[in-house]
Amino acid sequence: AQKITQTQPGMFVQEKEAVTLDCTYDTSDPSYGLFWYKQPSSGEMIFLIYQGSYDQQNATEGRYSLNFQKARKSANLVISASQLGDSAMYFCAMREGHTGGFKTIFGAGTRLFVKA
Amino acid sequence: EADIYQTPRYLVIGTGKKITLECSQTMGHDKMYWYQQDPGMELHLIHYSYGVNSTEKGDLSSESTVSRIRTEHFPLTLESARPSHTSQYLCASSPPTGAPGYTFGSGTRLTVV
Repeated sequence: AQKITQTQPGMFVQEKEAVTLDCTYDTSDPSYGLFWYKQPSSGEMIFLIYQGSYDQQNATEGRYSLNFQKARKSANLVISASQLGDSAMYFCAMREGHTGGFKTIFGAGTRLFVKA
Repeated sequence: EADIYQTPRYLVIGTGKKITLECSQTMGHDKMYWYQQDPGMELHLIHYSYGVNSTEKGDLSSESTVSRIRTEHFPLTLESARPSHTSQYLCASSPPTGAPGYTFGSGTRLTVV
């Protein structure tokens, strides 16, 4: 069965520094997608970045990058140059099957606090 | 500007009442989902739909029901609300191809008293 594990309930980072949020996953499907979402205190979920299991390079989107280590089954999110507006919950998620909008499961989340 | 709309944003209702949470999207997405989330916790899939007249139960057992009569509309109904239903309900949609991530609505925060 697929599973997502986020072991950091909370993280602190100084403004303008980089931070890594950990995520490990488990699946027996060779084709899967990995996602990170941001959830500010207002409650909406915002899609940040995606990595396909067959992608050779790590995904990047602006200040977000996904450190994909397939053998270790990890998909850590790196946020560079943290900003106060980055304070939020961050969820790692996985969907089995490379395409389509099939079921996605979410980890328990990591709350990030950015200090001024 | 949101392309997926959920109403109401907040709802406080008494035990035993029937309620319907609305979700509509204007993007023509075929796939839609309902997730339940307690504050600060992970999301649990309770219902999903791959298209009109297609609905499936998710991984988390739920006493709610859904319908998909039109592509853009995916309402969730609780026939008899209970305090254990107090939670946030998030609706999402995704296209068959293209952008891989889901688009989420702003959520409905339900409190049953």
